[in-house]
Amino acid sequence: DAGVIQSPRHEVTEMGQEVTLRCKPISGHDYLFWYRQTMMRGLELLIYFNNNVPIDDSGMPEDRFSAKMPNASFSTLKIQPSEPRDSAVYFCASSLGGLGQGANYGYTFGSGTRLTVV
Amino acid sequence: QKEVEQNSGPLSVPEGAIASLNCTYSDRGSQSFFWYRQYSGKSPELIMSIYSNGDKEDGRFTAQLNKASQYVSLLIRDSQPSDSATYLCAVLFLYGNKLVFGAGTILRVKS
Repeated sequence: DAGVIQSPRHEVTEMGQEVTLRCKPISGHDYLFWYRQTMMRGLELLIYFNNNVPIDDSGMPEDRFSAKMPNASFSTLKIQPSEPRDSAVYFCASSLGGLGQGANYGYTFGSGTRLTVV
Repeated sequence: QKEVEQNSGPLSVPEGAIASLNCTYSDRGSQSFFWYRQYSGKSPELIMSIYSNGDKEDGRFTAQLNKASQYVSLLIRDSQPSDSATYLCAVLFLYGNKLVFGAGTILRVKS
């Protein structure tokens, strides 16, 4: 398996532009997570899906952020309009099953998208 | 109080020594705990999980859990320069059923 695939690897955009980040989870994994990592705040969970359905989006910082999962093999995270404070590394992760007690699932992370908004 | 706390380091140890990484968490009901390793510019990778009080060993790694003290640790024996990375503690919080990460501890193993 190729693992979790994210694109693009790097994105530089101007403030106010729309940014779309893409993720292909591992085949068969039924959970998909979007995280953001910055030096100041570490890894923050933005949203997660189970069987393509958004379960918890309480980490999405503002209405400028939206995420979709139209099918089991694809998800997008969109920022519109983008702002300099959105600059971060955005990780997508997937897992087989949730993190129920006793389960040894953990997450598999993609390589991340480094977003720079200037 | 942060939900998952780690000393940011850097923790410097000589090659061959034992590295001890510590983590405390705020949710008394948490039952699942994970350690991830993240090399600079790379994504986190799972190295250990632990659910019961006590020790769990996997090769050179030992995870230790004390739920009464809300404390989890990772020991790395015979540390190698290739172990130099940031180690992230992650705790499954019952409310929200979400995995919360600490800020990470930077480990440097000097040859």
